[in-house]
Amino acid sequence: QIRLVQSGAEVKKPGASLKVSCKADGYTFTFYSIAWVRQAPGEGLEWMGWVSGNRGNTKYAQKFQDRVSMTTDTSTSTAFLELRSLTSDDRGMYFCARVGAEEGMDVWGQGTSVSVSS
Amino acid sequence: SYELTQPPSVSVSPGQTARITCSADALSKRHAYWYQQKPGQAPVVVIFKDSERPSGVPERFSGSSSGATVTLTISGVQAEDEADYYCQSGDSSGVWVFGGGTKLTVL
Repeated sequence: QIRLVQSGAEVKKPGASLKVSCKADGYTFTFYSIAWVRQAPGEGLEWMGWVSGNRGNTKYAQKFQDRVSMTTDTSTSTAFLELRSLTSDDRGMYFCARVGAEEGMDVWGQGTSVSVSS
Repeated sequence: SYELTQPPSVSVSPGQTARITCSADALSKRHAYWYQQKPGQAPVVVIFKDSERPSGVPERFSGSSSGATVTLTISGVQAEDEADYYCQSGDSSGVWVFGGGTKLTVL
């Protein structure tokens, strides 16, 4: 069974950093990229970027360019999203998704809820 | 990057056909993808590369492309199809974008 399992809910203070993990299971991790998508409460989907599963190449949305890092650990088939300098605007659900060669984002994690409050 | 424009909402009665559009000049050169998201759930891809349907997605879901507009069509809409639908595409540099989403209401 192919799945992505994300780390649990996070509560952070403004100015702190966030690190979310996304563990792949049931497929060869290095054959696919992982995309990160977030969704503010009551809002639409927002693409944050992607990281390749083999070489760790990245592409970030310009909005997050200066405070985001996406990495991988191939030994554990896990992708990581790090977001720094959090504000209340960073509240929401964060999803990872496998990027198929042609099929788009074909497998999604369950989401990680992030709260930012002083 | 660019923006993908979707109508905020579409309403249809059960058994009717729902059409959700997504527009941007870049779509004449780039593939589009459609995702369905039900409340409290992760999105699911229902159409890829403009008109391809993943295995497991009902045949009533179809996609088409004409110039700068792509369309998701749901024929014979069922109550279970009520959800938010998002189009997504990307540019040649690897930057991706989602449309604002369309809430499909089954009356």
